Amino acid sequence: GAVVSQHPSRVICKSGTSVKIECRSLDFQATTMFWYRQFPKQSLMLMATSNEGSKATYEQGVEKDKFLINHASLTLSTLTVTSAHPEDSSFYICSARKQPYGYTFGSGTRLTVV
Amino acid sequence: AQTVTQSQPEMSVQEAETVTLSCTYDTSESDYYLFWYKQPPSRQMILVIRQEAYKQQNATENRFSVNFQKAAKSFSLKISDSQLGDAAMYFCAYRSGGSNYKLTFGKGTLLTVNP
Repeated sequence: GAVVSQHPSRVICKSGTSVKIECRSLDFQATTMFWYRQFPKQSLMLMATSNEGSKATYEQGVEKDKFLINHASLTLSTLTVTSAHPEDSSFYICSARKQPYGYTFGSGTRLTVV
Repeated sequence: AQTVTQSQPEMSVQEAETVTLSCTYDTSESDYYLFWYKQPPSRQMILVIRQEAYKQQNATENRFSVNFQKAAKSFSLKISDSQLGDAAMYFCAYRSGGSNYKLTFGKGTLLTVNP
């Protein structure tokens, strides 16, 4: 149990377009989801925390207008990269909090902006 | 703010041998949780082991065990009888015990297992 489905796994988009990444908790209700960005051979950098039904909390330095996070239901959170540029190319991972103190990670999305 | 330090960017071990990955953390809190996660080449994050700070007994999961030294703020991971499938990036992570559920990750240790 405790599966988080993240898709797409890979996406290539043109500079200036927007891309949406979805994370769904398949067999549990995820009241809190986290979005991370990971550069090659580096650690996970937390971008934002989203709670169902409320606005996401962004980490310092993360542009909330560029990285739009929506957590409209207990099973779905989305990250939209708006007006993507090559520097936004990265690996994005979502994670859902699984009570009481566990976390389940999605399989990640490799975004390439050309 | 809490910080997590993994001082070994890379480690290697022979198959069937034992290896220890180090992790230290800085916190002023008394209630918290510590985790080791494995990220293989597929990049799927996999929980290896978890330790609650209030528990004195070191956590163990099959071939994986930790040495949790609360006073020293140290949380090392021991992998016994290393297998080729253990090759991965290993991340140490910290979580506060309150309602802040954010994980703080270390920079990771890349483990290579030699046949």
